[in-house]
Amino acid sequence: EAGVAQSPRYKIIEKRQSVAFWCNPISGHATLYWYQQILGQGPKLLIQFQNNGVVDDSQLPKDRFSAERLKGVDSTLKIQPAKLEDSAVYLCASTGTSGGPRETQYFGPGTRLLVL
Amino acid sequence: ELKVEQNPLFLSMQEGKNYTIYCNYSTTSDRLYWYRQDPGKSLESLFVLLSNGAVKQEGRLMASLDTKARLSTLHITAAVHDLSATYFCAAVVVGSNYQLIWGAGTKLIIKP
Repeated sequence: EAGVAQSPRYKIIEKRQSVAFWCNPISGHATLYWYQQILGQGPKLLIQFQNNGVVDDSQLPKDRFSAERLKGVDSTLKIQPAKLEDSAVYLCASTGTSGGPRETQYFGPGTRLLVL
Repeated sequence: ELKVEQNPLFLSMQEGKNYTIYCNYSTTSDRLYWYRQDPGKSLESLFVLLSNGAVKQEGRLMASLDTKARLSTLHITAAVHDLSATYFCAAVVVGSNYQLIWGAGTKLIIKP
């Protein structure tokens, strides 16, 4: 079974530029998560989708971050404009049909973003 | 607001020794996850603990959950170098859509 795919793996941009990340979850997984992991910290949830609907985006900085999952499969996360403090690893994860209590979140390899 | 604290945050130990990583959480949560992260790699699921008193073991790692004490432990028995990694615990926010709140991680270095 293929895992969660993410691209690009690395990205270096200058502040005020825009950047987009892509995620393809495990086939059949309805729930998709985007996390931000700053060096030395645990992941922080940015947004959670159930199929193509947003379940939780309370911690997404909506003035600069946006995310979509139009067909309920793959997803994109965009930052525009980027700030220095956005330098982090952006992780995508997915779970099965309901994201329920027995569901494990499976993580992709992440995209390492450096904002200069 | 649910907060998750791990300790220690850094642990250096010799092969063959035993040690325990602690994960405390501040409000009610009835399920707890442990993940492993190798440097530059993504997160790998180790255990899901679903009820009070739950204990799970895989090789030299054993995890337990005490929901009354709001405490989970990850015990390492006779550590080997291959277990060197950062270990994270995460607790579910009750009433959410299984949103996870993560600890800061415990960086474990096991010296040969």
